[in-house]
Amino acid sequence: GQQVMQIPQYQHVQEGEDFTTYCNSSTTLSNIQWYKQRPGGHPVFLIQLVKSGEVKKQKRLTFQFGEAKKNSSLHITATQTTDVGTYFCAGYGGSQGNLIFGKGTKLSVKP
Amino acid sequence: DSGVTQTPKHLITATGQRVTLRCSPRSGDLSVYWYQQSLDQGLQFLIQYYNGEERAKGNILERFSAQQFPDLHSELNLSSLELGDSALYFCASSHGLAGPRETQYFGPGTRLLVL
Repeated sequence: GQQVMQIPQYQHVQEGEDFTTYCNSSTTLSNIQWYKQRPGGHPVFLIQLVKSGEVKKQKRLTFQFGEAKKNSSLHITATQTTDVGTYFCAGYGGSQGNLIFGKGTKLSVKP
Repeated sequence: DSGVTQTPKHLITATGQRVTLRCSPRSGDLSVYWYQQSLDQGLQFLIQYYNGEERAKGNILERFSAQQFPDLHSELNLSSLELGDSALYFCASSHGLAGPRETQYFGPGTRLLVL
């Protein structure tokens, strides 16, 4: 079945450093969503990508969808302590079912 | 605050028991999703309901069942509980039928501990 792999599992950065998490699917995706879960909180929707090669920006966050629609990345420029949390990608293969979530990348930021 | 409510926040029970988790979606949302989040398995989709009907099924065990009522609230029933069922259970809602292509709004979750 469809699998969504996310790396790295953990990332520790110094405040001000950049951060990137990568998401790879075993099959072509019709769309991919990104969520952020703060410690002790619930997942919160960040963005959705649907087009091949799509790039979207939200302030310091840049999201990309690969040309083959099988991978995606989230890049944070100049991390801040408010960026702490777990970032999940979730892809949909376009057939029956629902979003398949990656296991997430847990980001910690040292001030 | 996402507008999705879940009760109870915490639940402690014993193996073999049965529990019911409750979810109320955001006002106007017709779809409800249930997810299980455990440390080693990440966020696992269990089941989706749309306007009272089951729409999609994920890795839901036969010991688990769910339903969505006419007022659109949903309940997840977990029976013959095992230690491995201890996890955080999230409910999410979205507006309509395009589930995997819609924003899903997550509730605060119910933390289940099976002793």
